[in-house]
Amino acid sequence: QKEVEQNSGPLSVPEGAIASLNCTYSDRVSQSFFWYRQYSGKSPELIMSIYSNGDKEDGRFTAQLNKASQYVSLLIRDSQPSDSATYLCAGITSGTYKYIFGTGTRLKVLA
Amino acid sequence: EPEVTQTPSHQVTQMGQEVILRCVPISNHLYFYWYRQILGQKVEFLVSFYNNEISEKSEIFDDQFSVERPDGSNFTLKIRSTKLEDSAMYFCASRSGTPYQPQHFGDGTRLSIL
Repeated sequence: QKEVEQNSGPLSVPEGAIASLNCTYSDRVSQSFFWYRQYSGKSPELIMSIYSNGDKEDGRFTAQLNKASQYVSLLIRDSQPSDSATYLCAGITSGTYKYIFGTGTRLKVLA
Repeated sequence: EPEVTQTPSHQVTQMGQEVILRCVPISNHLYFYWYRQILGQKVEFLVSFYNNEISEKSEIFDDQFSVERPDGSNFTLKIRSTKLEDSAMYFCASRSGTPYQPQHFGDGTRLSIL
């Protein structure tokens, strides 16, 4: 199993819908997780950090962490075409504090 | 809000030439990183740097690559003898000394090798 795994997509959702992006991780990866958004040709931009089990909301974004099942997800409510981007999940390994990025999921929000 | 700055935004170089990419991390950050992204592909880790030394490097980071923090603010990536396949976006990132904090990325340098 890869340490941080994402479906590459593309995930297509209609405008106004909820986009759900998922990420699974291995035992080596610790309790800190981050979601980055990357527009084509641009750098990754941090949009959410989550450290403990449960949900964390910030505007239209909700990050969910489930340590028992080893997954972290990002929900985008009321999706807009401007949300179309690649979303990278990242985690930190226990002990060594190494950052592991997933390969990213491409999201397309259709107008 | 403090940010990571990278220069130049675009660098065009002849194959075989040396190139230096520059980064100014966020001022109170202690950990520094370089990543590479070939067009259309995933972000790839190159190297991490802490306390004036390399803490980790990937297989990509071979002998033609080096990093340096020549003063209190700059963090550089040098590619000694560039190859066509070095053409990519290069991102610098930094984070604070507190464990489990996120990395913050610069806008990147697009490196084009001719």
